[in-house]
Amino acid sequence: KAGVTQTPRYLIKTRGQQVTLSCSPISGHRSVSWYQQTPGQGLQFLFEYFSETQRNKGNFPGRFSGRQFSNSRSEMNVSTLELGDSALYLCASSLEASNEKLFFGSGTQLSVL
Amino acid sequence: EDQVTQSPEALRLQEGESSSLNCSYTVSGLRGLFWYRQDPGKGPEFLFTLYSAGEEKEKERLKATLTKKESFLHITAPKPEDSATYLCAVQAGDNFNKFYFGSGTKLNVKP
Repeated sequence: KAGVTQTPRYLIKTRGQQVTLSCSPISGHRSVSWYQQTPGQGLQFLFEYFSETQRNKGNFPGRFSGRQFSNSRSEMNVSTLELGDSALYLCASSLEASNEKLFFGSGTQLSVL
Repeated sequence: EDQVTQSPEALRLQEGESSSLNCSYTVSGLRGLFWYRQDPGKGPEFLFTLYSAGEEKEKERLKATLTKKESFLHITAPKPEDSATYLCAVQAGDNFNKFYFGSGTKLNVKP
């Protein structure tokens, strides 16, 4: 069974640009969550999607947005990039129930110059 | 405010030297506490879930325990391949699939 796939693996952008990250969950998983990981802040929750609906949202500005498609694949978009957006962006999938362990992808390393 | 704190930030052990990692939390309505292992360049990998105080889980050289305020990850006779960052996360309240992560403990086991 294939794991969570995130693309691209690495990304370099400049301030003011926008970026789209992609995540394909494990087959059969309907929940997709996104996390930002930085050395100083650790893993911080961005948002979670279930059946194409955003079910939870973290404390990030509106520049961070996402969506989920009918096949459960998800995309995350960051507009007007800032230097502080440099981070590892992790996608995780899980079955629909709560209290379920998360399966993480290897992440997209975003560098904003 | 829900908070998760892990200590120590980093831990260096000799192979075979047992120790414990700590995860303390202040959350309203704990639904579950999770331990993950993260290797460099990879996403976190699930280890354990604990749901109630007094619960214990074991896997090879690792044992996780839970009290009302904290969790411990005990590592018995560690090997160099146990070197990784260990993360704990809590799920609380009605926020399904929203997890609060600690900053992690970076473990280095020397042969």
